[in-house]
Amino acid sequence: KAGVTQTPRYLIKTRGQQVTLSCSPISGHRSVSWYQQTPGQGLQFLFEYFSETQRNKGNFPGRFSGRQFSNSRSEMNVSTLELGDSALYLCASSLQTGRDTIYFGEGSWLTVV
Amino acid sequence: AQRVTQPEKLLSVFKGAPVELKCNYSYSGSPELFWYVQYSRQRLQLLLRHISRESIKGFTADLNKGETSFHLKKPFAQEEDSAMYYCALRHNNDMRFGAGTRLTVKP
Repeated sequence: KAGVTQTPRYLIKTRGQQVTLSCSPISGHRSVSWYQQTPGQGLQFLFEYFSETQRNKGNFPGRFSGRQFSNSRSEMNVSTLELGDSALYLCASSLQTGRDTIYFGEGSWLTVV
Repeated sequence: AQRVTQPEKLLSVFKGAPVELKCNYSYSGSPELFWYVQYSRQRLQLLLRHISRESIKGFTADLNKGETSFHLKKPFAQEEDSAMYYCALRHNNDMRFGAGTRLTVKP
């Protein structure tokens, strides 16, 4: 079956703009989580959604938000982009509980100029 | 708060040599620990998790609660083991990753 799919794979935005990234989880997976990966900070947890509800949130400013749809697909949005938001944004999905294996997508490379 | 520390950013060994990637954690509860690997130009993937106590690609990791460590070991490294390795701790559905160790296995 298809893995976690993220779109777009690459994008360039200007400071002050906003961006929306999309994630389609593995079929049947209901939990979707998002991570930011940068050379300096490594992998940092953004938030996790299950059944359209945010269950956990990392230490990111309110400019970072997300949502999950009834088909488990998820989007994350970053408003008022800053140069420091340039990163690889990874989406991961799992079946449902905290005991399930998490599967990662290939990520969306965001460059803010 | 939970935290995962991987003290080595870079680790280089020769093919056939033993390798150990260190991971220490701080967590007040009962941790669930993982090792993830990212090969060049591939997505992050699960290597092993402590609750399954299995060996994957010759790698093993033992949870030492006394030393709060979960070091990854392999007795004989192979060139194809060259990759980025991340130790991770899960609390509820919040996965915390270490900074990662880049392993290079030289021929």
